[in-house]
Amino acid sequence: EVQLLESGGGLVQPGGSLRLSCAASGFTFSNYVMSWVRQAPGKGLEWVSAISDSGSKSYYADSVKGRISISRDNSKSTLYLQMNSLRVDDTAFYYCVKDRGPTGSEPAFDFWGQGTLVSVSS
Amino acid sequence: DIQMTQSPSTLSASVGDRVTITCRASQTISNWLAWYQHKPGKAPKLLIYKASRLENGVPSRFSGSGSGTEFTLTINSLQPDDFATYYCQQYYTYWTFGPGTKVEIK
Repeated sequence: EVQLLESGGGLVQPGGSLRLSCAASGFTFSNYVMSWVRQAPGKGLEWVSAISDSGSKSYYADSVKGRISISRDNSKSTLYLQMNSLRVDDTAFYYCVKDRGPTGSEPAFDFWGQGTLVSVSS
Repeated sequence: DIQMTQSPSTLSASVGDRVTITCRASQTISNWLAWYQHKPGKAPKLLIYKASRLENGVPSRFSGSGSGTEFTLTINSLQPDDFATYYCQQYYTYWTFGPGTKVEIK
C-alpha cells in the first residue's frame, strides 16, 4: 500500500525557515517524479515544486522560486522541501504527491499525503 | 504559463442528477489533463487522467472528455458521496490547477 507521510510543518515567523519531509513507502520511490502541492486556507490547490526521479532536475512555481528548494534521498525514500524567507501568504497545507507513472510517463498525481500545515505569522 | 479556468464555480444539484463541469486551458494541452475530487480534511483524489481515462477504483459514473483547450467532467447519477470540490489540472507544461468547482446539495 502506497503511503506518503509528511512532517515538519508548524508556526514560523515571517522571514523564517522550515524544512518539510515526506516519508514514502509501498512503491519504488526512486522510479517516480515527486511534487509538493499546497492549499492556502479557503483557496484552491497550487502546485509548488517537483523533482525528477533521480533528483537531478527540479522545477518551481514562480510564486516560490528563489525561496524554496526541493530535494530527495532515494536511499531513504524521503522527499524534502526547504522553505526560506517565508511569507504570510505561504501559509497553507502542504501535500507530498506522487506521479501516477514511473519516470515521468504519466504526470497526474495518483497518491497524496494527508498534508502538513505551515503557518507563517508574527 | 498555462492558465486554467473552470465553470461553474459552484453547482447546486440533487442526488441522482447528471452534473457537468467545464475546464478550459489558455493554450492547447492536448489531452494532458486530470480531474481531482477534494473533500475538507482529506487528501485530494485522482478521478480521471489523460482527459478521459478513469483511475483505478473510481466509479464508472465519473467520465471525462475533451482535448486541446476544452474539457468536461461528467458525473452521472450524483451520489451523496460526490458532494465535494472538483479541480482540473493540466500537466502539459509543469502543473496548473483550475480554481475548483464546488458541488453542493440543492
